[in-house]
Amino acid sequence: EAQVTQNPRYLITVTGKKLTVTCSQNMNHEYMSWYRQDPGLGLRQIYYSMNVEATDKGDVPEGYKVSRKEKRNFPLILESPSPNQTSLYFCASSYFTGGKGNEQFFGPGTRLTVL
Amino acid sequence: GNSVTQMEGPVTLSEEAFLTINCTYTATGYPSLFWYVQYPGEGLQLLLKATKADDKGSNKGFEATYRKETTSFHLEKGSVQVSDSAVYFCALFNQAGTALIFGKGTTLSVSS
Repeated sequence: EAQVTQNPRYLITVTGKKLTVTCSQNMNHEYMSWYRQDPGLGLRQIYYSMNVEATDKGDVPEGYKVSRKEKRNFPLILESPSPNQTSLYFCASSYFTGGKGNEQFFGPGTRLTVL
Repeated sequence: GNSVTQMEGPVTLSEEAFLTINCTYTATGYPSLFWYVQYPGEGLQLLLKATKADDKGSNKGFEATYRKETTSFHLEKGSVQVSDSAVYFCALFNQAGTALIFGKGTTLSVSS
């Protein structure tokens, strides 16, 4: 089954404790992306990757890191989480053809709470 | 840059009522337009899309027409069901095609 998986689905942590949210896709997509969803703000892009070893900042990258060492995986790293990073996080992937863009497939989400 | 505005919710309807969720966009050129749906506790799923002016996207009884003259992509359904209760997002890509830009979402609640 074609899918994007994220782990963990729920996480409660404390300020400053490094954490990683994993994302994996099995559709051989070049493009992967992380979004955060906040009430009243909709979804905003954190980082994206056009292919292995090619990552770039989205609209809200502060406090986050990513890596793309393999095509299927795109982990999101919070090296020193703060309460303002409490949010619902989504990973997405797609083929990339530029310009108009293609349908993005989303993971189930990770609900993060930073105390 | 490209942007999208959709009507604020929540929208509360009775089963079998007609649904319209308004969406307008600002964009350079003619980007593809999308409606995504988020059911409670789940990720986003593509509901429908349209790739050029006057295209009509449709799925599961929902429809939306890409209107270049009014820069709109309103979502409609003739008869909603309780199972349609969800959050609906209108979206388009940024100019580079590297990020989806979403509206703030409209929560639909349908009661029997």
